[in-house]
Amino acid sequence: DSGVTQTPKHLITATGQRVTLRCSPRSGDLSVYWYQQSLDQGLQFLIQYYNGEERAKGNILERFSAQQFPDLHSELNLSSLELGDSALYFCASSVDPGQGSGNTEAFFGQGTRLTVV
Amino acid sequence: AQKITQTQPGMFVQEKEAVTLDCTYDTSDQSYGLFWYKQPSSGEMIFLIYQGSYDEQNATEGRYSLNFQKARKSANLVISASQLGDSAMYFCAMRVGNAGNMLTFGGGTRLMVKP
Repeated sequence: DSGVTQTPKHLITATGQRVTLRCSPRSGDLSVYWYQQSLDQGLQFLIQYYNGEERAKGNILERFSAQQFPDLHSELNLSSLELGDSALYFCASSVDPGQGSGNTEAFFGQGTRLTVV
Repeated sequence: AQKITQTQPGMFVQEKEAVTLDCTYDTSDQSYGLFWYKQPSSGEMIFLIYQGSYDEQNATEGRYSLNFQKARKSANLVISASQLGDSAMYFCAMRVGNAGNMLTFGGGTRLMVKP
């Protein structure tokens, strides 16, 4: 158990809908990262938050947004869903904001499998 | 931009034998970290081993070792004494020192251990 909790584990929704994925980081971790794993794109970094502030942005669509709350949990909001958004969405956490190349590996949650029908 | 290449989409290994999973990387930064993760069929990402660009010794964690060849920009994972439970997808990833803590992943290698 990595200590990172993601809910829900599975989500099935229709095109055009909006969903919210939730992530609770490991105790003491201030950084939260969201990744998308799809068959065609592989594992891609979406966005990082550190202590409530957006820290880095990857290939995140404008239809997607995220935030990190004062209690450090994070939510990823996906709207106007398309079939191609079907993927496994991972949250990861680490203690530092990501300066330097130290071995603060990101601990991953079990993922939320989103199916858009 | 950073890039990770895993050239072996799938591999078979006999139980109890050693296997090497290849990973090459590309970055112009001098400070970076290399990671290997295991993803079993259940889907979770499990951290296996880490190598920093300034580490002079190859990293080892139990049956896992990382064969780090900096000049060749390769970071191969060696699994000794394979077990049936090692059957999974394996991902090589890199983090560049000043680009945040986000990871750039390779396409993965599916390892299948034969009894």
